[in-house]
Amino acid sequence: DAGVTQSPTHLIKTRGQQVTLRCSPKSGHDTVSWYQQALGQGPQFIFQYYEEEERQRGNFPDRFSGHQFPNYSSELNVNALLLGDSALYLCASSLRFYEQYFGPGTRLTVT
Amino acid sequence: DAKTTQPPSMDCAEGRAANLPCNHSTISGNEYVYWYRQIHSQGPQYIIHGLKNNETNEMASLIITEDRKSSTLILPHATLRDTAVYYCIVVMGAQKLVFGQGTRLTINP
Repeated sequence: DAGVTQSPTHLIKTRGQQVTLRCSPKSGHDTVSWYQQALGQGPQFIFQYYEEEERQRGNFPDRFSGHQFPNYSSELNVNALLLGDSALYLCASSLRFYEQYFGPGTRLTVT
Repeated sequence: DAKTTQPPSMDCAEGRAANLPCNHSTISGNEYVYWYRQIHSQGPQYIIHGLKNNETNEMASLIITEDRKSSTLILPHATLRDTAVYYCIVVMGAQKLVFGQGTRLTINP
């Protein structure tokens, strides 16, 4: 049973560029949440998708956007990258609003 | 969501039980207690959750006090691979997990 997968594993971008991160949920899960984890901090909630709609959003600017596809996979898009966007981006999936299972994350470095 | 308080760090000898405390004095009646752990640079791993009854699974036991204002995560026979940051999270459903600083647990040989 495949768990949550994320791609790419690592990514290096330049300030001002745009980035797309991808997540495939655990088999049987229909809800995807995204988190940002800066170095030395706990993960921070970005937003959650269920039935292809954004259901909840954390305190992140509109530069952060997402999408959920009919197969429940999801993308996180970040526009106009800032140095402060450098972080580990985590995707978590769940069945409805039950316990969330996390993927390994995508390490984004903005230079 | 209710706020939690955890000790910043703890040590435990390999093979002994690791008992990680968490205070959540403002928890409301429909909020659950969730525990996750994060091994360096990996995604958080779900451990266990509970509402008011004690819970046990293959990884750990969760003891919630009768007034629900605190809980303890018990790893019965700690191994070196249990070294991680442990997060106690109180949330209604599991919609938006709010991670604090957690407890850095070090298992010593």
